[in-house]
Order: sequence, then C-alpha cells, then structure tokens
Amino acid sequence: GESVGLHLPTLSVQEGDNSIINCAYSNSASDYFIWYKQESGKGPQFIIDIRSNMDKRQGQRVTVLLNKTVKHLSLQIAATQPGDSAVYFCAETSGNNRLAFGKGNQVVVIP
Amino acid sequence: EAEVAQSPRYKITEKSQAVAFWCDPISGHATLYWYRQILGQGPELLVQFQDESVVDDSQLPKDRFSAERLKGVDSTLKIQPAELGDSAMYLCASSLAVNTEAFFGQGTRLTVV
Repeated sequence: GESVGLHLPTLSVQEGDNSIINCAYSNSASDYFIWYKQESGKGPQFIIDIRSNMDKRQGQRVTVLLNKTVKHLSLQIAATQPGDSAVYFCAETSGNNRLAFGKGNQVVVIP
Repeated sequence: EAEVAQSPRYKITEKSQAVAFWCDPISGHATLYWYRQILGQGPELLVQFQDESVVDDSQLPKDRFSAERLKGVDSTLKIQPAELGDSAMYLCASSLAVNTEAFFGQGTRLTVV
C-alpha cells in the first residue's frame, strides 16, 4: 500500500509505552485545535479536540495538552498499541474559521 | 455510524480531461470542506461551504477547479482540464458548524497520466 509517511518526522515507540507527539502553531488567534490520525490510504480520523479556554483534555488513552504561551500542542497516547501506527496531524482554526493542518508525524509501533 | 461518503475511491484520467468528485456529508452538517492532500503532506483546504454558500475558496485554483453545493447537502468538485500536478488525494469533510469536529471521508485518489 501507499505510504503517507514519506519525509515525515518519525516516532518509533515500543508497544505498551506511552507516545508523545508535538505540534507547534504560529497563529496566536487560533482558538480550536484537533488531532487527527491518518492510516495509509484512508482519510483523517478525528481523535480529540480542545478549545483555547482549556489547557488539557482527556479521552480514551489519549490526552491533549495546549500551551498557548508558547503556541504548542501535544498528543499523548497511553499504552501504545500496534493499531496506533499511523500519521498524526494537528489542525487549528482561528477567526477565519479555516481548518488548517500542520505537518504530520509518523508513529511506528514496534511489537 | 454516520459517515462522509465520497466517490469514486480511485480515478485515473489523462491530462487535459475533465474529472469530477462527489461528496455526501453527514446528515445535518452545515459546513463542508474539500481538501487536497499530496503524498507525505498535510491536507490543504481548497474550498469551504456553509450550507450552499462558499465561505472560503482563496486556495482554489479557479482557472481549472470549480466546486458547488447547490442544495446545501452534497457537493461536487470538478477539475477541467486536469494536469499532471493535480495527482493527489482529494478529501471531503463535514461538520455541524465551523469550529466543531470535522469528519473526513475516505477520499478520492486521483492519478493524472
């Protein structure tokens, strides 16, 4: 199958370990952020979102942290599983309501 | 579970030909997006609709690309004439409103030869 991971930063993680994926954004007016997971040949899949009035939000095995001071977003995946292998994108919206994507990060889970 | 439907999944076309992609968003979603994704990169917004109106097409190459959402439900993206550089994945997404969860379809993989 095709790979969407070409030329992308890659995080290799042992199965069962925790993963942290980072994203920097440049627009201080951005007020809504989403993390997506994209498997090869498929569309992006919504994972978790966070608004700018929060600095942390938790889901099932995932946590998103938002640091507005340094314009940094991170996604933490607990107990990483082989099915977590994919490319992860952060996306943001600001006043123009355009949902803009950042560069992806490839996560490779080692069994 | 409701999902965004796109067709076709794959399309091969010769350069200079016309090609069209179709998207049926999740029922009730007012906002519809078309993105283009080149291999190894993040999706780039081409056009955004709110109901039947275009709210952002600043990144749409209007000399060859057009998009419509006549009844505010399903949408069509057209390229005429296709160029080799148009080879990419074309993704459709929808959300209840702007600044809410946007859900993506499986995309249409276009290859221009």
